Amino acid sequence: GQNIDQPTEMTATEGAIVQINCTYQTSGFNGLFWYQQHAGEAPTFLSYNVLDGLEEKGRFSSFLSRSKGYSYLLLKELQMKDSASYLCAAMDSNYQLIWGAGTKLIIKP
Amino acid sequence: GAVVSQHPSRVICKSGTSVKIECRSLDFQATTMFWYRQFPKQSLMLMATSNEGSKATYEQGVEKDKFLINHASLTLSTLTVTSAHPEDSSFYICSVPLAGGQETQYFGPGTRLLVL
Repeated sequence: GQNIDQPTEMTATEGAIVQINCTYQTSGFNGLFWYQQHAGEAPTFLSYNVLDGLEEKGRFSSFLSRSKGYSYLLLKELQMKDSASYLCAAMDSNYQLIWGAGTKLIIKP
Repeated sequence: GAVVSQHPSRVICKSGTSVKIECRSLDFQATTMFWYRQFPKQSLMLMATSNEGSKATYEQGVEKDKFLINHASLTLSTLTVTSAHPEDSSFYICSVPLAGGQETQYFGPGTRLLVL
C-alpha cells in the first residue's frame, strides 16, 4: 500500500535549526511536496522535490533521496511564527497526492 | 492576494440539515477543482474532483449522494453536505490546480463545519 510517515510532533527553540523527516512508499513517484499549515488554516506550499538532492529556499531547505524513499524539511533560524504543522505529501504514478498526517512543530522562546 | 476563496469560513448546523460550501477561483478559470476533508490531527483526504460541466469524480469511500458537488461555472464549485451528522464535522478545503493536476494547486482558506 501507499504510506507516508512523519513524526507527530517536534519541539525546537527559537533561533535554532530543526529537521523534519518524512519517509514514503508510493506506487510510482512524481515528486515530494512540503506544505505548512497553521492551525485552522489551509496548507500553504513550501517546496517540491523530484530530483535527488537539497533545494534551498531562504530559511527553508528540502532534501530528497528517491532510492531511500526519504525526504526532510530543514528550517533554520527558527521564528515563533514557524510554529505550525508541516505536511509531507508524495505524488504517485497517477499524479495523486498521498498526504502524511503532518508534524506539529512547537517553537519555544 | 487570495487566489481561491471559500464561503462560509465557519458554519454550525443542526444534525439532519444540509450545508452548502462555495469555492471560488478568483484569478483564473478552473475546469477542475479539488475538495478535501481534514479531521483534527489527521491528514488531508481528497474527497472528490469537481469537473466543470460534468459529474464530479469521487474517491473511494466518499458517498456521492451525501456530498453533492456542482461545478456550474469556470469559477465556482459548491459542495453540499446533505443530512449532516456530527461525524461530518470537519475542516473542508477546496483547491484549484494551476495546470489541471495536483502538482501545483492553490488552496482555499477552508470551511470549518460543526454539526450539533
